[in-house]
Amino acid sequence: AQSVTQLDSQVPVFEEAPVELRCNYSSSVSVYLFWYVQYPNQGLQLLLKYLSGSTLVKGINGFEAEFNKSQTSFHLRKPSVHISDTAEYFCAVSYLQGAQKLVFGQGTRLTINP
Amino acid sequence: NAGVMQNPRHLVRRRGQEARLRCSPMKGHSHVYWYRQLPEEGLKFMVYLQKENIIDESGMPKERFSAEFPKEGPSILRIQQVVRGDSAAYFCASSPFGVLSNQPQHFGDGTRLSIL
Repeated sequence: AQSVTQLDSQVPVFEEAPVELRCNYSSSVSVYLFWYVQYPNQGLQLLLKYLSGSTLVKGINGFEAEFNKSQTSFHLRKPSVHISDTAEYFCAVSYLQGAQKLVFGQGTRLTINP
Repeated sequence: NAGVMQNPRHLVRRRGQEARLRCSPMKGHSHVYWYRQLPEEGLKFMVYLQKENIIDESGMPKERFSAEFPKEGPSILRIQQVVRGDSAAYFCASSPFGVLSNQPQHFGDGTRLSIL
């Protein structure tokens, strides 16, 4: 079955510290990978995407993610977080064979403490 | 350039009533997706539509739920005879092409449905 696992439901960090949000997916086929951010009572905003090419992708707000095919992972990182990064982060996968939909992880709540 | 517009933002219904959720995709987008987010969970796919066609409804409950995307007007997600378990946030997303293209889906702000 197609699935996406975000290993941490909550991640508290101090302001200006680095952060990594982990994402693993199940797959035996090619995939597109995405990270979305959700601020309270809002929809999802695309942070970055991996389609092909370089395994290190850069997104908005200083975030980046690295695609690791052998480990089926797509971890999100930021070297120095800000209070405004407090939000819910979702990893999502679209499988290039099969149903045309996004499969989401359960989400990671990132809390930035001053 | 307006994004994906969903209305209403909040909807309260009593058990047994009908709920209608509307979604206007971004201009130029002909592909619409509906997702449901239960409290403390990620988004779950419900249905994928193109104009006048349902392409994939594998995530839709078999009863009481229906969706349409007419030639003119917004996409509608309809829930008949609502029950408390239908309380959730419902998100609509749109894209100019299907998921198998490299175009990401753009999401609306959602409709938060509460069942009394």
